[in-house]
Amino acid sequence: AQSVTQLDSQVPVFEEAPVELRCNYSSSVSVYLFWYVQYPNQGLQLLLKYLSGSTLVKGINGFEAEFNKSQTSFHLRKPSVHISDTAEYFCAVSNSYDKVIFGPGTSLSVIP
Amino acid sequence: DTEVTQTPKHLVMGMTNKKSLKCEQHMGHRAMYWYKQKAKKPPELMFVYSYEKLSINESVPSRFSPECPNSSLLNLHLHALQPEDSALYLCASSQQGGVQETQYFGPGTRLLVL
Repeated sequence: AQSVTQLDSQVPVFEEAPVELRCNYSSSVSVYLFWYVQYPNQGLQLLLKYLSGSTLVKGINGFEAEFNKSQTSFHLRKPSVHISDTAEYFCAVSNSYDKVIFGPGTSLSVIP
Repeated sequence: DTEVTQTPKHLVMGMTNKKSLKCEQHMGHRAMYWYKQKAKKPPELMFVYSYEKLSINESVPSRFSPECPNSSLLNLHLHALQPEDSALYLCASSQQGGVQETQYFGPGTRLLVL
């Protein structure tokens, strides 16, 4: 069975500072990895995904993530955050045999 | 057009009521999903329709009844709900239902059961 861990439930960061949101997964087979963002009172929106190929994935709004197979991680990074990045961020995993599983989420709060 | 629309935005219902949630997409997607999301929690998959056929039912109680009248529409019929069913109900769609596909989410219906 696969699972997703997001160790940080809340991450406060000052505006224009860099941020990293951590995601670790467990799966016995090759995985597909996703980061979704949920702004207040909205549905989820895909930021980026890793299916295969280059381990560094670039997404929308200046976010990027790096797939690290040996550490079973897919951490999300942004070099300089804005107030508008305040939201809930969900890491998700799937594989050829199983549906998408969402992690518990990380609440990013950008402080002016 | 990458929009998934959901109506109503808010719904308050009693435990004896019957109501329906509606979801619509015009992206030509052939897979549609219902998720339930409690506050400060991730979405939990309830149902998946693929090519208008129910392909996944995550052991959801029968008081929730999904329906897919055509490839653009998805309904969730509600009957005799419990207060613990209060949540945000999200609809999503993807091209064909593959696990590697991007899911496009609607804004959700916020349901309160009294």
